[in-house]
Amino acid sequence: KNQVEQSPQSLIILEGKNCTLQCNYTVSPFSNLRWYKQDTGRGPVSLTIMTFSENTKSNGRYTATLDADTKQSSLHITASQLSDSASYICVVSDRGSTLGRLYFGRGTQLTVWP
Amino acid sequence: EADIYQTPRYLVIGTGKKITLECSQTMGHDKMYWYQQDPGMELHLIHYSYGVNSTEKGDLSSESTVSRIRTEHFPLTLESARPSHTSQYLCASSGTTDTQYFGPGTRLTVL
Repeated sequence: KNQVEQSPQSLIILEGKNCTLQCNYTVSPFSNLRWYKQDTGRGPVSLTIMTFSENTKSNGRYTATLDADTKQSSLHITASQLSDSASYICVVSDRGSTLGRLYFGRGTQLTVWP
Repeated sequence: EADIYQTPRYLVIGTGKKITLECSQTMGHDKMYWYQQDPGMELHLIHYSYGVNSTEKGDLSSESTVSRIRTEHFPLTLESARPSHTSQYLCASSGTTDTQYFGPGTRLTVL
């Protein structure tokens, strides 16, 4: 069964600290993996996208890693800001159908305290 | 910032009412999607469309219906709302890549 599991479910950190969010998946065949940021009451916004051959990709203070062999990804946030408080969702795409099906994790709820 | 819009943003309605959730995008995307999301849970695909006059049901069974008469417009309709329909509904679109751009969502509460 194709699944995406994220950990931790929630995380509280102090402003300025770093944190790492985890994503494990069993989706096959694998096309790409995205990290989305979803602010409360808003739709998700794409942060990074990684294909099979990419190990690391950065977007400002966000750095995503991918290990396609172990089917694991992480999102590292550096020097956190209050505006980083949001849900971070791992999304894996397959190419097993013409739709290019997306599999969503439940997200990690990050809270940054001043 | 993606040019995809949803109205209303919030809706509180009584059981048995008919409602239509609006979704429009100005990016000329052929593919559009409707997702349902409960608090703390993953997004579930309930409808999608490849283009005008194309609509398909998603993975999660839904009593809602959709139409795609124009490329930019993908409304979702519930003929008779029930409390079990209370949820957040997210619309998305994608173009030549499979990156989906999401609208702000409609939070529906059925009393």
